[in-house]
Formats: sequence, C-alpha cells, structure tokens
Amino acid sequence: AQSVTQLDSHVSVSEGTPVLLRCNYSSSYSPSLFWYVQHPNKGLQLLLKYTSAATLVKGINGFEAEFKKSETSFHLTKPSAHMSDAAEYFCVVSGNQGGKLIFGQGTELSVKP
Amino acid sequence: NAGVTQTPKFRILKIGQSMTLQCTQDMNHNYMYWYRQDPGMGLKLIYYSVGAGITDKGEVPNGYNVSRSTTEDFPLRLELAAPSQTSVYFCASSYAGAPTDTQYFGPGTRLTVL
Repeated sequence: AQSVTQLDSHVSVSEGTPVLLRCNYSSSYSPSLFWYVQHPNKGLQLLLKYTSAATLVKGINGFEAEFKKSETSFHLTKPSAHMSDAAEYFCVVSGNQGGKLIFGQGTELSVKP
Repeated sequence: NAGVTQTPKFRILKIGQSMTLQCTQDMNHNYMYWYRQDPGMGLKLIYYSVGAGITDKGEVPNGYNVSRSTTEDFPLRLELAAPSQTSVYFCASSYAGAPTDTQYFGPGTRLTVL
C-alpha cells in the first residue's frame, strides 16, 4: 500500500528566502509522485510530477523537487519565495489502479514581507 | 476550453435533505473522480469512474451515490445529508487512469450541513 507523509503542517518564510517543503512516501513499487498547490478558495493546480524519468523535476513558478529513493523522499524547493507562493501544498502519490491518488495532509506556506 | 467545472460553488443543507453536486469536463477525459477535503486534511476519494456507465467506490463512499451517463458529466448525489458531510468537494478528471496521468481539478463546492 502507498502512503505519503508531509513532515510540516505549516512553514513560514520571508520573501526572497528559500522554500523547503518536506515529503516522505511509502510505496511497494516504483511510485509516481506529484506536488499540487491550492490557493485560498481555489481548486488544486499541478506544480510538478515525477514519473521515473529524471530524479530532479522542474515545475511551474520556479519550484522543483528531487526524488530520492534511498530516503523515500520527494521534497519541494524554491530558491526565492514570492508573496504569491502563499498557499497550501499537497504531496501526492499515485496508486497503481484506476489513477487513485493518495494525498498528504498538506503544508501551509506563509510568506512574510 | 473550461476544463473541469462544478456547480454550485456554495450550498447550505439541512440535515436529511438531498442534493446533487454537478461536475462537467470538456477535455474528453475518460476518468473522473470525486474527492472531499476536510479542514486540515488532504483529499479523500469518494467515487471514481473509468468511463460512461462504469463507476466504483473510493475510500469514503458511504452516504453518496454517483452515475456517469456521458463522458462529460459525473454528478455526485448526497442522500439524507448529515453534518459529517460538511466538507469541500472537488471533482477531477484525467485522460486515463495510469499512475503517471495528471488529474485536473475543478474549483470545488463548499457544502455545509446544519
């Protein structure tokens, strides 16, 4: 069975400083992993996904994530936070049947001016 | 190209009432999904469909029903609404059900049951 754990429920950074949102996964086979972002009162938008190609995945808005099999991690990073990055971020692993997604509990990112 | 649309955006129900949440996608996707999101939690799968006429239960199906008569539409029916169904409901779609496929989400329906 697959599962995903987001290690921080809330992260606060200052504008212009790096962002690190941590995610560990558990999967009995080679997983597909996603990061989605949810801005307040909005739907979810795909930031990036890992599908067993390159381990360093680049996404939209300057975000990237590195798949580390030995550490079962898929942490999301951005070199310099922007005020518009304030949102809820979800790490997601895909099940192997019917496209089912298993969501982490989310990390709320706050960006201070 | 509107993507995934959901109606209504907000709804307040009384205990025991019924309602249907509408979901439509215009991307010709085969797979469609219904999720609920409770405060401070990730999304949980309620039901999904692999094509017109075919639906299956997800993780939390109790208290809900679905149907899929067309490729575009996937309504979610709540019978006998209960306070535990207060949540935000998201519809999503994907072209196929492969683990690598991206799911596209609608804007959500915020439901309160009083």
